[in-house]
Amino acid sequence: QAVLTQPSSLSASPGASASLTCTLRSGINVGSYKIYWYQQKPGSPPQYLLKYKSDSDNQQGSGVPSRFSGSKDASANAGILLISGLQSEDEADYYCMIWHSSAWVFGGGTKLTVL
Amino acid sequence: QVQLVQSGAEVKRPGASVKVSCKASGYTFTTYDFNWVRQAPGQGLEWMGWMSPATGDTGYAHKFQGRVTMTRDTSISTAYMELSSLTTEDTAVYYCAKNPPATGDFDSWGQGTLVIVSS
Repeated sequence: QAVLTQPSSLSASPGASASLTCTLRSGINVGSYKIYWYQQKPGSPPQYLLKYKSDSDNQQGSGVPSRFSGSKDASANAGILLISGLQSEDEADYYCMIWHSSAWVFGGGTKLTVL
Repeated sequence: QVQLVQSGAEVKRPGASVKVSCKASGYTFTTYDFNWVRQAPGQGLEWMGWMSPATGDTGYAHKFQGRVTMTRDTSISTAYMELSSLTTEDTAVYYCAKNPPATGDFDSWGQGTLVIVSS
């Protein structure tokens, strides 16, 4: 079982909100981890969005709109990237990442379609 | 303006090695770590390892240990990633990214270097 699991795709309408999940493997407690989020558009390198561990320990990447925010769902053992007020330019692949067992680990990514 | 500029695309035979460079500008080279991340065609991101330009310390993903070497030349603000014993499975775009030490804020990325391994 992968360390981080993301749904492969998600669709949402312009102006709506999208909640992208990053589920940690059983036995790995989301509460102990800082979760990083990246956005990647076709043909471009990833771009850092934000990191989230708790409401008192989180940070937005430089220049990243406040429409992007992080949270956790402890009951689901998952990190969440919430994108509010969806715009067409938010259509991209989104990756979560954690530091686990002395390595950076990426989730498989979620392709967000805005239509 | 921070920039990471990578070397150009490469085509290699199976069994060969490839060395990708990442030239940094716009900041003090030794104050940020480097990470290397690759992406196979149509696939997700895969972390390969990190290097401290200040000390030369490295840490490699278990999958690549013994096959990857990350180095730097501080005189020209350039980081390098060399991968040996290439197979077709190594065909991917390779990215360098900088981050404050001991963080996952990969805040600037190179443009990527396509490495094709083919017989």
